[in-house]
Amino acid sequence: EVQLVESGGGLVKPGGSLRLSCAASGFTFSTYSINWVRQAPGKGLEWVSSISRTSSYIYYADSVKGRFTISRDNAKNSLYLQMNSLRAEDTAVYYCARDVSVTTLYAFDIWGQGTMVTVSP
Amino acid sequence: QSALTQPASVSGSPGQSITISCTGTSSAFGGYNYVSWYQHHPGKAPKLMIYEVSNRPSGVSNRFSGSKSGSTASLTISGLQAEDEADYYCSSYTSGASVLFGGGTKLTVL
Repeated sequence: EVQLVESGGGLVKPGGSLRLSCAASGFTFSTYSINWVRQAPGKGLEWVSSISRTSSYIYYADSVKGRFTISRDNAKNSLYLQMNSLRAEDTAVYYCARDVSVTTLYAFDIWGQGTMVTVSP
Repeated sequence: QSALTQPASVSGSPGQSITISCTGTSSAFGGYNYVSWYQHHPGKAPKLMIYEVSNRPSGVSNRFSGSKSGSTASLTISGLQAEDEADYYCSSYTSGASVLFGGGTKLTVL
């Protein structure tokens, strides 16, 4: 079965750090761009970051640039999101999501179940 | 500033057709046709319904169709069913090498 499974969410104080992981299975992980997308409580979807197949191309939303770092380990079929200097507005469910095509079409067909990150004193 | 604007809500009766619009600034669509639509039931993972403006992934009902004209992309759902009730989001690859989501539209099946 093709799937993505996130982990690492939790409660953290403002200014703190957290590292999210996303484990892939059922497909050739190294051939797809992968993204992080989040949804704050009661809000819509927000794209956070993307990483190309070989990590050559990495992009971030302005809201997280300089604080978050995306990375991947193709040997371990895993994606990561290092989140530093966390703010209350980073509170959200974080999803990892796979691009629908190996040629990268900026559409996400496989999503994880999400992991909740809560930033609160 | 790039933005994709969707109506907050739409509604329709079973069997009817509805259209959800997604209006973007020129930078929001970036001159590309990388427009996608997602269905999101609360508490579940979003589901890709349309990509590249009008392509349906395998397994998605042909009741769902997408189009784009000028600065507005549209998702049409025909033969509305109760299970179509959900939040719908458009998204686009932007000229800023990022992905932008619309604010979302809540579809109510009456």
